[in-house]
Amino acid sequence: DAGVTQSPTHLIKTRGQQVTLRCSPKSGHDTVSWYQQALGQGPQFIFQYYEEEERQRGNFPDRFSGHQFPNYSSELNVNALLLGDSALYLCASSFLLGQGISEQYFGPGTRLTVT
Amino acid sequence: KQEVTQIPAALSVPEGENLVLNCSFTDSAIYNLQWFRQDPGKGLTSLLLIQSSQREQTSGRLNASLDKSSGRSTLYIAASQPGDSATYLCAVKKDSNYQLIWGAGTKLIIKP
Repeated sequence: DAGVTQSPTHLIKTRGQQVTLRCSPKSGHDTVSWYQQALGQGPQFIFQYYEEEERQRGNFPDRFSGHQFPNYSSELNVNALLLGDSALYLCASSFLLGQGISEQYFGPGTRLTVT
Repeated sequence: KQEVTQIPAALSVPEGENLVLNCSFTDSAIYNLQWFRQDPGKGLTSLLLIQSSQREQTSGRLNASLDKSSGRSTLYIAASQPGDSATYLCAVKKDSNYQLIWGAGTKLIIKP
C-alpha cells in the first residue's frame, strides 16, 4: 500500500496565476481532506470531499476549490494566487465511519511558493 | 471557538533525557485528541490518539495524557534519541464529524 500520495512535491508560481495540486488517497479510503500549513503554524482545514461532493468547508475564500474523482483521488485548485497562499498543502484520507470519519492519514504535502 | 496552544515552540535537550511536551485547549468539549509528528518533507504521522473518555495512551517510549477538565494534554517521551528530533503537533476534534483543530507545534531537537 503506497499510502497517501501527493503531486507535485514542490511548485513555484507567480501572483495571479492558478495552481492545481493532486492527491491519491490510501487504499480503501473514500474521503479526502485538504489542509494549508503556513510556515511555523499548524494545519488549517480547507475542505473535505466524499462521493465527489464537498462535504465540509473551512474558512477559505472561493478562490480555493476542489474536485474528487470516481477513483476517490482529489484535486485542489487555487485561483488568483496571492503571496499569502505560499504554504505546505497537505492531503489526508479517511473513510466514513457511522456519522463521522475514521482516523486521517496524511500525505507528504506539496510545498507551494508564490512570488 | 476552540483554540489549541503548544508551549514551548522549540525545545533542545541532550540525548537520553526524559521530556514533556504540552498542549492546551480552550473548550473542554472534545471528541478526541491526537499527537502527531512532522518530519521535513514527510508529512504528518499520527503517534497517539486519546478518546475523550480516556486518560492516557501509551506506545513504546511515548505516553500521552489527557485532562479534559483543565484543557490540557501532555506527551511524555522517555529516553530521548536523536531520531526523535521533529516537530510535534497536537490536534483536537470537536465531534466525530468535525475536522481537527491544530496547535502550532513544538520543534524538538535531541542533541547526540
